[in-house]
Amino acid sequence: SQQGEEDPQALSIQEGENATMNCSYKTSINNLQWYRQNSGRGLVHLILIRSNEREKHSGRLRVTLDTSKKSSSLLITASRAADTASYFCATVPLHTGGFKTIFGAGTRLFVKA
Amino acid sequence: GAGVSQSPSNKVTEKGKDVELRCDPISGHTALYWYRQSLGQGLEFLIYFQGNSAPDKSGLPSDRFSAERTGGSVSTLTIQRTQQEDSAVYLCASSLERGGGWETQYFGPGTRLLVL
Repeated sequence: SQQGEEDPQALSIQEGENATMNCSYKTSINNLQWYRQNSGRGLVHLILIRSNEREKHSGRLRVTLDTSKKSSSLLITASRAADTASYFCATVPLHTGGFKTIFGAGTRLFVKA
Repeated sequence: GAGVSQSPSNKVTEKGKDVELRCDPISGHTALYWYRQSLGQGLEFLIYFQGNSAPDKSGLPSDRFSAERTGGSVSTLTIQRTQQEDSAVYLCASSLERGGGWETQYFGPGTRLLVL
């Protein structure tokens, strides 16, 4: 089964609203990453948060990590139509030796203009 | 320099035929990954290369799948005797060194494989 599980599976909002996506994982990790995918092709790295960090910002993105609950959230503020994409969290379980990246099923975000 | 490139972009093949997918990582990146993504799903880890070595091949779905990397650069993923369930987008990624959760992975555009 997937290490990471995102929810919701799909999210539709109006331009200007905030979008929040959540990710849960099962085993201990060193860090967690969020990626974006447009049109089912290549992924683009958004942000990495380390296990000793609780919150990280990058532009309109805010990521939180709660290692006690094994969960993370990605907040996109003041969304734009161009933010329409699928968003995935990715983790590397400690027991895999540090290279086997596990992606969740993703959240499909649709931002209406 | 250029990003990760993959070829072909699209491949349609008949059940039972062999296919070979190619990945050109970013120059200087020693870590290379292959993933498979079925329609509407997340990414399934297939294999990882550090240089020319693949420490873990357990993600390959069956013995019909194999991968190699030569010269620490180009990698090919070969699927023998393709089945319809092999239809998916195959994504390649590279990272500078150790990769995985320690570094950003840079993804190619993927190869969309359709097995009829």
